[in-house]
Amino acid sequence: DVKVTQSSRYLVKRTGEKVFLECVQDMDHENMFWYRQDPGLGLRLIYFSYDVKMKEKGDIPEGYSVSREKKERFSLILESASTNQTSMYLCASSWTGGLLGPQHFGDGTRLSIL
Amino acid sequence: AQTVTQSQPEMSVQEAETVTLSCTYDTSENNYYLFWYKQPPSRQMILVIRQEAYKQQNATENRFSVNFQKAAKSFSLKISDSQLGDTAMYFCAFMKGGGTASKLTFGTGTRLQVTL
Repeated sequence: DVKVTQSSRYLVKRTGEKVFLECVQDMDHENMFWYRQDPGLGLRLIYFSYDVKMKEKGDIPEGYSVSREKKERFSLILESASTNQTSMYLCASSWTGGLLGPQHFGDGTRLSIL
Repeated sequence: AQTVTQSQPEMSVQEAETVTLSCTYDTSENNYYLFWYKQPPSRQMILVIRQEAYKQQNATENRFSVNFQKAAKSFSLKISDSQLGDTAMYFCAFMKGGGTASKLTFGTGTRLQVTL
């Protein structure tokens, strides 16, 4: 089975801190994604990557950056955390091929910014 | 840009009954895929069922089936013989065909409660 592991289930940080959320997948997937999930808004795509060192903005990239130095790892960075970034963050991965590669999700990181 | 609409924020069904969750979408694409994902409370999001737009036959996975109406841009999920373990948040999602990355556009979700 595909395993997508997010480094923390719960995280509490302070306003202005630089925050790193880590995600690792073990199936050699090309594509990796970061979403945030908020009540009433569903999941919204922040950034995604289709190859090492490649990244593309999703629908809500403001205030975030990403890093993909190795194929299995995709990091989400909050450059200067703000309270409106308090949310559930979900990482996902898939292999190229669309239909053959549905996205597999991690357990999520519930991030609170105080 | 694609949009996905789930008009039922919450639904409830009794165990062993059948329930249908609604989803509509808007796109100008002809090649695309549709998905239903399930997110149980405090648990991982998992894929329930998927449908290729080019297929006329509705997808079925055990107790889960879809009613795909391409002209109406409707993609509803039917859960038969509901079980307590079906209690979850259900998300409808759209993916454009082709391209190098399988970006998903999600609806806002329907919270389903299965009761005794």
